[in-house]
Amino acid sequence: GAVVSQHPSWVICKSGTSVKIECRSLDFQATTMFWYRQFPKQSLMLMATSNEGSKATYEQGVEKDKFLINHASLTLSTLTVTSAHPEDSSFYICSAVVHPSSYEQYFGPGTRLTVT
Amino acid sequence: SQKIEQNSEALNIQEGKTATLTCNYTNYSPAYLQWYRQDPGRGPVFLLLIRENEKEKRKERLKVTFDTTLKQSLFHITASQPADSATYLCALDLTGNQFYFGTGTSLTVIP
Repeated sequence: GAVVSQHPSWVICKSGTSVKIECRSLDFQATTMFWYRQFPKQSLMLMATSNEGSKATYEQGVEKDKFLINHASLTLSTLTVTSAHPEDSSFYICSAVVHPSSYEQYFGPGTRLTVT
Repeated sequence: SQKIEQNSEALNIQEGKTATLTCNYTNYSPAYLQWYRQDPGRGPVFLLLIRENEKEKRKERLKVTFDTTLKQSLFHITASQPADSATYLCALDLTGNQFYFGTGTSLTVIP
């Protein structure tokens, strides 16, 4: 149980275009999902906390107008990178908490974004 | 400033020995501390969680300690195997809704 999927697993886009990444909890309902980015050989950096039915909470330094997060249902959160630039190229990973009392995060397999 | 540091970027150890990884933090008061394993190109996988009022937690060949006075957690893998080779990440959970990850330690177990 507690499987999280991401789609797509990798994407290449041109500079200036927008890319949407989906994060789904397959066998549980996730009221809270998290979005991270990870540069090569670096740790995960928390970008934002996504709560179902409300606005996402962004970490300091993360542009909310550039990284649009929507958590429309208990099983789906999306991250849209708008007007992507080469410096946005990274590994984007989402995670979900099964229920608040456990605090165990289950991560998706990640999405490799390359902006040319 | 707030920091989460793990002892070294890379750790090599002989098969069968105990691997010890360190996670040190400053300027945090975490309610929980977690350890994850990450393989290349994959998302992290949860291993263990330890609460601030717990000193030690075990799961099979894994052991975690948590010293809130020293602001340090130690992660041990006993009887290490080549399959244990991966990057290990510690994560601080401040309130149950904020997770911050350490820099990671790449462990290689040599046959």
